[in-house]
Amino acid sequence: AQSVTQPDIHITVSEGASLELRCNYSYGATPYLFWYVQSPGQGLQLLLKYFSGDTLVQGIKGFEAEFKRSQSSFNLRKPSVHWSDAAEYFCAVGARDDKIIFGKGTRLHILP
Amino acid sequence: SQTIHQWPATLVQPVGSPLSLECTVEGTSNPNLYWYRQAAGRGLQLLFYSVGIGQISSEVPQNLSASRPQDRQFILSSKKLLLSDSGFYLCAWSGPGVAEQYFGPGTRLTVT
Repeated sequence: AQSVTQPDIHITVSEGASLELRCNYSYGATPYLFWYVQSPGQGLQLLLKYFSGDTLVQGIKGFEAEFKRSQSSFNLRKPSVHWSDAAEYFCAVGARDDKIIFGKGTRLHILP
Repeated sequence: SQTIHQWPATLVQPVGSPLSLECTVEGTSNPNLYWYRQAAGRGLQLLFYSVGIGQISSEVPQNLSASRPQDRQFILSSKKLLLSDSGFYLCAWSGPGVAEQYFGPGTRLTVT
């Protein structure tokens, strides 16, 4: 069965520092992979997606993610975080049946 | 462009009362539609999804039901709310055969 693990429940970084959020997935075939962001009290916004091809994908708001098949990982990165990046981030894997499995999320805190 | 609406934004209901949450999508045809519930610290739980009018699949047996009376309308209902129904309810859509989902702003339901 498909599953997604986000090992960090909370991450705190200083404004201007680099960021990496970890995500590991379990899926038998080549997965569709996603990162979403959710600000408090709001819906989820799609940051980026990976379907195939180049394993480094660029998204909105300066985020990128790298698909590593050998490690079953799809980590999210940003070279320099801004206070407005404070939010909850969800990694997700999509199957062929039009459903997406979400991780439990990582809450990002930014120190001024 | 496509837009997804949910209402109401917030709702406080007593135990045993009925529930109706509505979701509509604009700017697309024949979307897949999804209802999720988000409880604190537990990520997103898929409740129902629909690939067409009158076609509803239930993921989790519970006190809720869903209906799709029109192509771009998805309704979440309950005849008698339980305390455990409290949470943040999110509607999402995807294009037919397209993996990524797009989320509405959500409804915060508090059952008292």
